Amino acid sequence: RKEVEQDPGPFNVPEGATVAFNCTYSNSASQSFFWYRQDCRKEPKLLMSVYSSGNEDGRFTAQLNRASQYISLLIRDSKLSDSATYLCVGPRSGNTPLVFGKGTRLSVIA
Amino acid sequence: GAGVSQSPSNKVTEKGKDVELRCDPISGHTALYWYRQSLGQGLEFLIYFQGNSAPDKSGLPSDRFSAERTGGSVSTLTIQRTQQEDSAVYLCASSPGAGLVDEQFFGPGTRLTVL
Repeated sequence: RKEVEQDPGPFNVPEGATVAFNCTYSNSASQSFFWYRQDCRKEPKLLMSVYSSGNEDGRFTAQLNRASQYISLLIRDSKLSDSATYLCVGPRSGNTPLVFGKGTRLSVIA
Repeated sequence: GAGVSQSPSNKVTEKGKDVELRCDPISGHTALYWYRQSLGQGLEFLIYFQGNSAPDKSGLPSDRFSAERTGGSVSTLTIQRTQQEDSAVYLCASSPGAGLVDEQFFGPGTRLTVL
């Protein structure tokens, strides 16, 4: 299994829809996970960290499922401006830098 | 405050030439990372620095690629004898702490085109 794996999409959803992405990881000892957002031809930016207890920021909810080794991102009430690629990030192994997934592309349609 | 900056923003070069890409991290950030991203692809990790040393060079694609960091600040990524497959956006990121799980702040990237 790759260290971090995501469905590339694209996910095409109407405005107002709820959409969820999952990301699987291979390192069971991983402690830190993040979701980054990357707009077309722009650099990635941190969207939110993923805590073991789950966390919510407005319309966005991130969860960690250790038993099944995946993290999820839920977006409620999708906006056109949510259209972007969402990158799942986790540690590689041991004490090495974070590894980025290849991203899931979301298109929110009017 | 100032974010991560990279120069040049665009670089077009001929196959076989050497190029040097520069990254200025956020002041005080101890960790610095280089990635590259080909069109429509994910981020490919190249190398990271903790201070001036590079504990992990495993991502460098070949011995044509090298990087250094001086004074715990500016970093340069050098690609010798460029090939067309080197064409990509080269992204630099920095993070504040000595830990490897801090948020990474990215620069705008250098778009390299090898003709």
